Amino acid sequence: GAGVSQSPSNKVTEKGKDVELRCDPISGHTALYWYRQSLGQGLEFLIYFQGNSAPDKSGLPSDRFSAERTGGSVSTLTIQRTQQEDSAVYLCASTRGPDGETQYFGPGTRLLVL
Amino acid sequence: QKEVEQDPGPLSVPEGAIVSLNCTYSNSAFQYFMWYRQYSRKGPELLMYTYSSGNKEDGRFTAQVDKSSKYISLFIRDSQPSDSATYLCAMRKTGNQFYFGTGTSLTVIP
Repeated sequence: GAGVSQSPSNKVTEKGKDVELRCDPISGHTALYWYRQSLGQGLEFLIYFQGNSAPDKSGLPSDRFSAERTGGSVSTLTIQRTQQEDSAVYLCASTRGPDGETQYFGPGTRLLVL
Repeated sequence: QKEVEQDPGPLSVPEGAIVSLNCTYSNSAFQYFMWYRQYSRKGPELLMYTYSSGNKEDGRFTAQVDKSSKYISLFIRDSQPSDSATYLCAMRKTGNQFYFGTGTSLTVIP
């Protein structure tokens, strides 16, 4: 079946602009995660959704970052007033349930803020 | 101290070599252990999943978990150039939080 998909695959924007990144999880997966991966760094947790609720948003680095999920499926990560330090790969992952054993990752969105 | 420590490498081996990749962790509550492979400009791909201690084998890959030492390993036998990638360890307690190592970069030279 289809895996996790993300769009766009690449995004170049100017400092100060807003961007929206989209994640489409595996069908039927109720849990969804956003991570950020910078060059040479590990995965930095951003936010976790169970259904449409976000019980853990502790990883969002500032109030410029927000995310929502609708219909228990697609999620959008929004970064407002982008800064150069926001440049990274943003990865989305889904698991079958709240105690799902493993995560399945999308290909990521490569964000470059000029 | 990070919850999960992983040597970033880079690691370079000749084709056919046995590769050993390792992670250590500090939290004894971790129960689920995973290894992911990430090719350049791709998302991580699940390779191995292990619950609690013990070994698991899948083809050329073997995952080991030693909870008493808080140490996990991934062995790759008869390594191939196509194994060249970054390998990430990950672990979880119960609940939703996953903890990742920083990844080890592996190059297998033909």
